[in-house]
Amino acid sequence: NAGVTQTPKFQVLKTGQSMTLQCAQDMNHEYMSWYRQDPGMGLRLIHYSVGAGITDQGEVPNGYNVSRSTTEDFPLRLLSAAPSQTSVYFCASSAFPSTDTQYFGPGTRLTVL
Amino acid sequence: QQPVQSPQAVILREGEDAVINCSSSKALYSVHWYRQKHGEAPVFLMILLKGGEQKGHEKISASFNEKKQQSSLYLTASQLSYSGTYFCGTEAEYGGSQGNLIFGKGTKLSVKP
Repeated sequence: NAGVTQTPKFQVLKTGQSMTLQCAQDMNHEYMSWYRQDPGMGLRLIHYSVGAGITDQGEVPNGYNVSRSTTEDFPLRLLSAAPSQTSVYFCASSAFPSTDTQYFGPGTRLTVL
Repeated sequence: QQPVQSPQAVILREGEDAVINCSSSKALYSVHWYRQKHGEAPVFLMILLKGGEQKGHEKISASFNEKKQQSSLYLTASQLSYSGTYFCGTEAEYGGSQGNLIFGKGTKLSVKP
């Protein structure tokens, strides 16, 4: 049982490049989400999904796309990277998000030059 | 809207107590507490639900004042391992989607020997 896994751990991009951050969980959780964490800002919700085929926007969705084709996977796509997207990205999953813990992945540290 | 946490930082000696507060301007359904150590993912501590139900850590307690939309995390007889940044995540009672947490900016707790 690996929990929530994220790849890559570190990534450096140039402005304008695109990439996909991978997130997978093996706990059969329906709810998955993506957060970004910037110094002094806490965790901010980017996108979330309540089940396969269903996604929606969080607080800061601009510049990011998501899809949820399976219960296990929830990739985050950066369409055209900007320096403002330099951050640490966390994926999380939960069985019942209101009443159960959210399990966070180890994070991806992204730098956009 | 992001909940407000106070204090922003606190330094304790081992064995001392601390209280971390979280306040929201919205009616809340639940408050979640997480602790994050430097360079690591947030780890679940506690969930408090409207109506009084709590789930969480044995050695850490918390309260949820539904009328004031405030929660407090009580750390008693602090240990060195309690050091880290504490985040509250709030779920609005109305609007939005179930399980979406809006996190505060965090409270940095340092426990010294």
